[in-house]
Amino acid sequence: GQGVEQPAKLMSVEGTFARVNCTYSTSGFNGLSWYQQREGQAPVFLSYVVLDGLKDSGHFSTFLSRSNGYSYLLLTELQIKDSASYLCAVRVGTNKVVFGTGTRLQVLP
Amino acid sequence: GPKVLQIPSHQIIDMGQMVTLNCDPVSNHLYFYWYKQILGQQMEFLVNFYNGKVMEKSKLFKDQFSVERPDGSYFTLKIQPTALEDSAVYFCASSPQGNTLYFGEGSRLIVV
Repeated sequence: GQGVEQPAKLMSVEGTFARVNCTYSTSGFNGLSWYQQREGQAPVFLSYVVLDGLKDSGHFSTFLSRSNGYSYLLLTELQIKDSASYLCAVRVGTNKVVFGTGTRLQVLP
Repeated sequence: GPKVLQIPSHQIIDMGQMVTLNCDPVSNHLYFYWYKQILGQQMEFLVNFYNGKVMEKSKLFKDQFSVERPDGSYFTLKIQPTALEDSAVYFCASSPQGNTLYFGEGSRLIVV
């Protein structure tokens, strides 16, 4: 099967950080992407990783461990406007991109 | 960033009727996707194309669904006949290399 799992909700405080976890169990792996989706809007691409390790992109950083089927998106110096859903997506083979269940992040003042 | 255009943005339709959703992807992108998202739920893969040809369909892609590329530029997703459970937002996306997907704003379909 193609399972991509994320916690449904996450809360954190403005000025701190939030780590959004993603675990996957898919028949193939050809890279993992993270998207931000605000309510009623389209997903917006944030980051793509295919090699193990941490990829630092400033406000957003992404970690991948292929042997563990695990990734996280780290948001630092949180702002209220970071409140949104964050979607993990696994590219399976060359064609199919399977999305996770999404994590709704709420940033509290 | 690159723009993917979807028409219509909203449509209300009677159960059993036909609906056609249209998507104009980014012109030089080789990969194209249709997804279905019920409000507040997971983005579910329907079908994808590579270089204009259908590559893979999911179990969600029922017999009532069909996809076309009428003139080699835009794509259509047709549902005939529609059912109540087809109510959702249908997103299309295109990608240059299959890693970064650029989404349209979605077509919100309500079947009554």
